[in-house]
Amino acid sequence: GQSLEQPSEVTAVEGAIVQINCTYQTSGFYGLSWYQQHDGGAPTFLSYNALDGLEETGRFSSFLSRSDSYGYLLLQELQMKDSASYFCAVKAAGNKLTFGGGTRVLVKP
Amino acid sequence: DTAVSQTPKYLVTQMGNDKSIKCEQNLGHDTMYWYKQDSKKFLKIMFSYNNKELIINETVPNRFSPKSPDKAHLNLHINSLELGDSAVYFCASSQMGTMGSEKLFFGSGTQLSVL
Repeated sequence: GQSLEQPSEVTAVEGAIVQINCTYQTSGFYGLSWYQQHDGGAPTFLSYNALDGLEETGRFSSFLSRSDSYGYLLLQELQMKDSASYFCAVKAAGNKLTFGGGTRVLVKP
Repeated sequence: DTAVSQTPKYLVTQMGNDKSIKCEQNLGHDTMYWYKQDSKKFLKIMFSYNNKELIINETVPNRFSPKSPDKAHLNLHINSLELGDSAVYFCASSQMGTMGSEKLFFGSGTQLSVL
């Protein structure tokens, strides 16, 4: 089966940088995705990494190391609106997307 | 022009009742899903359909029965509701991209409360 580990909660101040780590164990691996979910809202897609390295999209970047079964999401220049839960998700054998438990990011003024 | 719409947004019902949640997507995607999110925010896949065909059926009680009349619709019927069914149910759709990429578009969720 698949399992993903990510921290449950991170707190930071506006303007700071936050890194959310995700380690995974899967049978087969296609790629690692990240989703953002605000309280009461739906998950929304942030990024996808299939190959090793860093993908940058504005203030958010995502990194993958396939050999280490590890990835992270980097949130830069934190804003209050970034307070949300962030989920890593793995696409693996069986063609299904399995989500981690989510990391709640709390941004303080 | 909502991409993935599901109804109702809130559903409060008694134990033992039968209820349905409807989902429609106007993105032209081939694949649709039902996910369950519990009170600890854990998102777990329940079912996946590709062009009306069931392709993923996780360990879900038989009381849950999905139906896909066409590739734009995926409904979820739940029989004999139990307290433990209380959760937020998300419908989603996706299209496969390059290198196995798959971007899921989620509906706004249905908060089911079983009393």
